[in-house]
Amino acid sequence: QSALTQPASVSGPPGQSITISCTGTTSDVGGYNYVSWYQQHPGKAPKLMIYEVTNRPSGVSNRFSGSKSGNTASLTISGLRAEDEADYYCSSYTSSNTVVFGGGTKLTVL
Amino acid sequence: QVQLVESGGGLVKPGGSLRLSCVASGFTFSDHYMSWIRQAPGKGLEWVSHISTSGSAIYYADSVKGRFTISRDNAKNSLYLQMNSLRAEDTAVYYCARDGRGSYYDYWGQGTLVTVSS
Repeated sequence: QSALTQPASVSGPPGQSITISCTGTTSDVGGYNYVSWYQQHPGKAPKLMIYEVTNRPSGVSNRFSGSKSGNTASLTISGLRAEDEADYYCSSYTSSNTVVFGGGTKLTVL
Repeated sequence: QVQLVESGGGLVKPGGSLRLSCVASGFTFSDHYMSWIRQAPGKGLEWVSHISTSGSAIYYADSVKGRFTISRDNAKNSLYLQMNSLRAEDTAVYYCARDGRGSYYDYWGQGTLVTVSS
């Protein structure tokens, strides 16, 4: 159960777009359309932002979008805002009927 | 509104045991898979375990297999995590989360801190 690979940090100025990658294997990300993304502000519980690769829960801004190609999933945030500054985690269902998370990416809005 | 409230965390010595509880409200508990996810101080999220609606299907992370036991009581809208043979590396905030189709977590509790230290 190795963690999915995410960049440790990304940054961008307000109004720009950024993309966070999440790389796994054919046993997790590449094998299922069960990738989800979470936003976590300091001291708070994670919040679901994207599920099943591309779906946005009700109430999540359409500035957040998800995609997948092969063993790599991506979260794109467009029109960056100061409140988007947070940690972001991907997760995937696995062939072992378990779930694996990425190591997390710290987003800084410059 | 959906609420998940964890309890049972605290300070325990290595080798000790602790039982976490999570009480759910605002949705039909028995219709949903449930999970425990933890986060060590300053670290990322780690999936711990999940349990099916009836409790017939249970899975664990390798790091806790054989030491932790997940269970649920649908009549009490409650999820549990019995943690035995605790180690320092089990120190974390433990979150209870509602499972969406077994692969994503749409609601989370506020977390309960477990500290394993002598």
